[in-house]
Amino acid sequence: AQSVAQPEDQVNVAEGNPLTVKCTYSVSGNPYLFWYVQYPNRGLQFLLKYITGDNLVKGSYGFEAEFNKSQTSFHLKKPSALVSDSALYFCAVRRYFNDYKLSFGAGTTVTVRA
Amino acid sequence: NAGVTQTPKFRVLKTGQSMTLLCAQDMNHEYMYWYRQDPGMGLRLIHYSVGEGTTAKGEVPDGYNVSRLKKQNFLLGLESAAPSQTSVYFCASRTQGETDTQYFGPGTRLTVL
Repeated sequence: AQSVAQPEDQVNVAEGNPLTVKCTYSVSGNPYLFWYVQYPNRGLQFLLKYITGDNLVKGSYGFEAEFNKSQTSFHLKKPSALVSDSALYFCAVRRYFNDYKLSFGAGTTVTVRA
Repeated sequence: NAGVTQTPKFRVLKTGQSMTLLCAQDMNHEYMYWYRQDPGMGLRLIHYSVGEGTTAKGEVPDGYNVSRLKKQNFLLGLESAAPSQTSVYFCASRTQGETDTQYFGPGTRLTVL
């Protein structure tokens, strides 16, 4: 069973506009949540993670994500998108604290138009 | 540090041929992973290792074997390649800390004809 869902295959925004990439999770207990980005023909790069504490997590390249336990969501956000943010974004969850593995969502392709 | 490296970057095989993909990391990480990436399916875990000499099956292990004879290397083998194994393969590694993140290699694009 998939532990994370990314409901949008694609997100298109204009440069300068806010960017949101959605992720919902379904795990028992306290999840460990991650966002990764993949640029064309490259491996995945870590953006940010939520382990515990403040629900708003800040990461690389101006991205942030908000953990919402009641809605079981961990949406990725950027206040002002850049053309260079165009990439494939993956949400991932570690299901429990001693789980060795990450479960990835299917990915969301973000296109930022100039 | 080179981080996580993968060899080769590209490969074309015929059905039934065998090959080995090499993953190497220079970060002294305990855990290493092999994933495959297919369109619309995200990354699926093939096999993983929590230390030298140990391996375990992931979500989609059939048709693959792995070995971790040295801490820094994690090998993925295809004994008899099938067209369904056409994919992009990623290796990753991380430390033992429960909050630590995985670091990914650049990927190997494999085509099986």
